[in-house]
Amino acid sequence: EVQLVESGGGLVQPGGSLRLSCTASGFTFSNYEMIWVRQPPGKGLQWLSYISPSGSDTFYVDSVKGRFTMSRDNAKNTLYLEMNSLRVEDTAVYYCGKDPRGPEYWGQGTLVTVSS
Amino acid sequence: DVVMTQSPLSLPVTLGQPASITCRSSQSLVYSDGNIYFNWFQQRPGQSPRRLIYKVSHRDSGVPDRFSGSGSGTDFTLRISRVEAEDVGIYYCMQGTHWPGTFGQGTKLEIK
Repeated sequence: EVQLVESGGGLVQPGGSLRLSCTASGFTFSNYEMIWVRQPPGKGLQWLSYISPSGSDTFYVDSVKGRFTMSRDNAKNTLYLEMNSLRVEDTAVYYCGKDPRGPEYWGQGTLVTVSS
Repeated sequence: DVVMTQSPLSLPVTLGQPASITCRSSQSLVYSDGNIYFNWFQQRPGQSPRRLIYKVSHRDSGVPDRFSGSGSGTDFTLRISRVEAEDVGIYYCMQGTHWPGTFGQGTKLEIK
C-alpha cells in the first residue's frame, strides 16, 4: 500500500525557516517524480514544486522560487522542502504527492502557520 | 501559467439527481507525447484530495462508475450520474501538461 506521511509543520515567525519532510512507503521511491502542493486555510490547491527521481532536476512556481528548496534522499525514501524567508501568505497545509502530472497518492498534509 | 476556470463554483444537487462540472483551460492540454494530462480531484471535508479521473476520462481504482470524465483540447466535464450523500465536498480540476501544474478554483457540491 502506497503511503506518504508529511511532517515538520508548525508555527514560525515571518522571515523564519522550516523544513518539511515526506516519508514514502509501498513503492520504489527512487523511481518516481514527486511534487509538493499547498492549500491555504479555506482556499484552493496550489502546485508548488517538482523533483526528478534522481533529484537532479527541480522546478518551482514563481511565488516560492529562491525561497524554497526541494530535495530528496532516496536511501531514506524521504522528500524534503526547505522553506526560508517565510511570509504570512505561505500559511497553508502542505502535501507531498506522487506523479506531478496528476497525483494519485497524497499524504495527510502538514500545517505551516506563519505568524508573529 | 495555464489558467483553469471551473463552473459552477457552487453546486446544490438533490440526492439521486445528476450533476455536472466544467473546466476550461487557457491553452491546449495536449502534451508532446499525445496525452492530455487533465485530472479531477475530490476533497471531502477535512480530508486530503483524492484523484477521481486522470487523462480526461480514466477512472481511478475504487472510484464509483457514477463518476465520468470527458473533454478534449481545452474543455472538460466531470459528470456524476446520481449524486449520493458521500459525494459532498469540493471538486478540483488540474492540468499537468504544462509546468507548473495548475488547479481550478474548486466547485463546492452540496446536497439540497
